[in-house]
Amino acid sequence: QSALTQPASVSGSPGQSITISCTGTSSDVGGYNYVSWYQQHPGKAPKLMIYDVSKRPSGVSNRFSGSKSGNTASLTISGLQAEDEADYYCSSYTSSSTWVFGGGTKLTVL
Amino acid sequence: QLQLQESGPGLVKPSETLSLTCTVSGGSISSSSYYWGWIRQPPGKGLEWIGSIYYSGSTYYNPSLKSRVTISVDTSKNQFSLKLSSVTAADTAVYYCATNGIAVAGFDYWGQGTLVTVSS
Repeated sequence: QSALTQPASVSGSPGQSITISCTGTSSDVGGYNYVSWYQQHPGKAPKLMIYDVSKRPSGVSNRFSGSKSGNTASLTISGLQAEDEADYYCSSYTSSSTWVFGGGTKLTVL
Repeated sequence: QLQLQESGPGLVKPSETLSLTCTVSGGSISSSSYYWGWIRQPPGKGLEWIGSIYYSGSTYYNPSLKSRVTISVDTSKNQFSLKLSSVTAADTAVYYCATNGIAVAGFDYWGQGTLVTVSS
């Protein structure tokens, strides 16, 4: 299975909004509403931020939102804050009953 | 609130078998509500799903690792384990155990991770 495609890096200023894309195929992202997003700070375990494309776990800020169109999912962070600077990974369930991650995107808050 | 903790050797020799255990607290590994999985991250690189197991014993593996991976559950100890055979330097990574819930299509609880280095 091939990794999902994410931009290597994105950046934004405090208060702005940014969007990270995650492109797969009809066998993963496009075929299921089982896309999730993770935030990872250096030296820490990933943290689930979005699941089922657009649902937020309890305790996750509503500044984080997810969506999907065709084979591409997106994570949007609004009202960017310094603490949002981290690596972000998408993941999707696949038609082979497996999970696949994206390559990761480094978010820089300018 | 589930808590997961990985344990095992931090150094493994090439061609040998990497063995890790994840101890679960705050819930039962026999619960039908979760799949129990392993994910790894080579230094400076991205996440890679290794495989998952359901309490019934059903296993699901990454096709690229399937020939070398075994994941099992020990209900008496509330643990699940990973074995990766014939390791090389490319298997050097931080290994995480994690759960994905039946009602949550995502890995919602994670261990802190353990670094395993493959070197002679």
